[in-house]
Amino acid sequence: GDSVTQTEGPVTVSESESLIINCTYSATSIAYPNLFWYVRYPGEGLQLLLKVITAGQKGSSRGFEATYNKETTSFHLQKASVQESDSAVYYCALGGYGNEKITFGAGTKLTIKP
Amino acid sequence: ETAVFQTPNYHVTQVGNEVSFNCKQTLGHDTMYWYKQDSKKLLKIMFSYNNKQLIVNETVPRRFSPQSSDKAHLNLRIKSVEPEDSAVYLCASSHRDWGYAEQFFGPGTRLTVL
Repeated sequence: GDSVTQTEGPVTVSESESLIINCTYSATSIAYPNLFWYVRYPGEGLQLLLKVITAGQKGSSRGFEATYNKETTSFHLQKASVQESDSAVYYCALGGYGNEKITFGAGTKLTIKP
Repeated sequence: ETAVFQTPNYHVTQVGNEVSFNCKQTLGHDTMYWYKQDSKKLLKIMFSYNNKQLIVNETVPRRFSPQSSDKAHLNLRIKSVEPEDSAVYLCASSHRDWGYAEQFFGPGTRLTVL
């Protein structure tokens, strides 16, 4: 079946340092995978951070970037300089056009030290 | 306000009781979902409805039953709760014409079974 594996948390990074959260996927039932990063800030609901539906493309939002790499089946989340407000739980997810199901990774809890 | 709303926020009950959770979306979507997030924060889809029709039904115990009165509402009933049902239940919605791909989530209902 489809699966998503991401960096196991918790992860702690100092403010203004760079960040990478790894994500790899296996899409056995989806011909054209769509890839997502969702985020849950403290006290808030799960929300979409960014998505990429075409292999080779990059998505970006709030200073975060992720490139859909079909060869390595990866979708790593990166940020050059994190802020305290980035503290949250990040989920990598896999879906597909016309596919009702989204498969989520286990989530990575990120804490930014001031 | 356009969003996904869930009630209640929290529910504490005893083994064997029946519980019911409600979800409403005001986004104009035609597809709604129930996810279960367990103590390890893993998010697993349980059910999905498109225009009141069940389209995804993952392997869940028979004591769980979804109910949809219209495309904006999706409820979840658990007939006789067990301790392993303690979790956060997340409702989400999306739109078929957009390929389902982006799902919008509610804040969740936290169930504790004593």
